[in-house]
Amino acid sequence: SQKIEQNSEALNIQEGKTATLTCNYTNYSPAYLQWYRQDPGRGPVFLLLIRENEKEKRKERLKVTFDTTLKQSLFHITASQPADSATYLCARGDDMRFGAGTRLTVKP
Amino acid sequence: NAGVTQTPKFRILKIGQSMTLQCAQDMNHNYMYWYRQDPGMGLKLIYYSVGAGITDKGEVPNGYNVSRSTTEDFPLRLELAAPSQTSVYFCASRYTTGFDGEQYFGPGTRLTVT
Repeated sequence: SQKIEQNSEALNIQEGKTATLTCNYTNYSPAYLQWYRQDPGRGPVFLLLIRENEKEKRKERLKVTFDTTLKQSLFHITASQPADSATYLCARGDDMRFGAGTRLTVKP
Repeated sequence: NAGVTQTPKFRILKIGQSMTLQCAQDMNHNYMYWYRQDPGMGLKLIYYSVGAGITDKGEVPNGYNVSRSTTEDFPLRLELAAPSQTSVYFCASRYTTGFDGEQYFGPGTRLTVT
């Protein structure tokens, strides 16, 4: 079956460090991957989209990579802050199926 | 723009009851989606629509029905509610002519079936 997986349920890092979250997909190569942020009790909010022919995309302190050989997307938050604490979700842009999410906690 | 709106915000149903979750968007988006999110879990796609009059099943459609008579509205119907349908339901929409286009989510409906 076609799966999109986020390997880590939770990630704890110290303020100022770079957070790296992983999204893997199997049996299907999406043309797009999207990343969302979800705060408790709220709906997800779009962050970044990356196409399969793009290796990297940046937006302020956020960076997304897309490696079609490894079937993987990495999501980086540099100079992390406690306000970055949230759940981050990746999704296949083709059919908008989501991974389970990674809960990021940034400690001061 | 109000974006994506959902009503009600909260609802408690008894087993076997039925209800309709309302979703509306004012952004003229062609695609609309319904997801459910169980505690601590990701989003599971229930149904989606690529335009008025067209709907299709997602990953977990059993126990639900949808309709899309207008571009703006995409109601989700629960027939014969079961405890397994206790969840938070999110509606989303996006504009796309291919596979790009970010999704905009509503605030969610928290449903409890007892």
